[in-house]
Amino acid sequence: KQEVTQIPAALSVPEGENLVLNCSFTDSAIYNLQWFRQDPGKGLTSLLLIQSSQREQTSGRLNASLDKSSGRSTLYIAASQPGDSATYLCAFEKSSGDKLTFGTGTRLAVRP
Amino acid sequence: EPEVTQTPSHQVTQMGQEVILRCVPISNHLYFYWYRQILGQKVEFLVSFYNNEISEKSEIFDDQFSVERPDGSNFTLKIRSTKLEDSAMYFCASSSRSTGNTIYFGEGSWLTVV
Repeated sequence: KQEVTQIPAALSVPEGENLVLNCSFTDSAIYNLQWFRQDPGKGLTSLLLIQSSQREQTSGRLNASLDKSSGRSTLYIAASQPGDSATYLCAFEKSSGDKLTFGTGTRLAVRP
Repeated sequence: EPEVTQTPSHQVTQMGQEVILRCVPISNHLYFYWYRQILGQKVEFLVSFYNNEISEKSEIFDDQFSVERPDGSNFTLKIRSTKLEDSAMYFCASSSRSTGNTIYFGEGSWLTVV
């Protein structure tokens, strides 16, 4: 059974800091890996999707990488802002149209 | 930007009552999903739906649960006889191969069973 772990579970940083969130998975047979943001009591907002043939994706201050051989994905946030405070979730699917298996999440707080 | 919409945003129901959660997926999407998140826990898969039938369901999705696409736009989740442990946020999601399989989620429906 695929396990998805996110480290750290919680992170508090001062505004302006660059940071890295980690996602580890036990099965390298993945089709897509997706990073989401979840604000308290809200839905999931898709941030980046990396297909298995890709190594990284970038959107604004966010950069996500994927290393299937080591079973890891990282989300890099540059120049963090208080508005980035949220829970960040990684999730993967094993084939096209398959369900998503979610990680445990990293709760990020960016202090002004 | 198109979005997945869900109703109601919050529902309180008595144990044993039937509940229907409604979703309008993004219009050109082909894959539909329900997930749930118990407070403080991981997001869990319930069921996926494609080509007017269930394509996969989890252990959670027992006989108390059912899904339906009654018309070309709505996608519903019915819980036949709610239990206290069904209290959770229920998320509807949809995707299309043309978007690279990005899965889009709704804002969720908070279900509280008392």
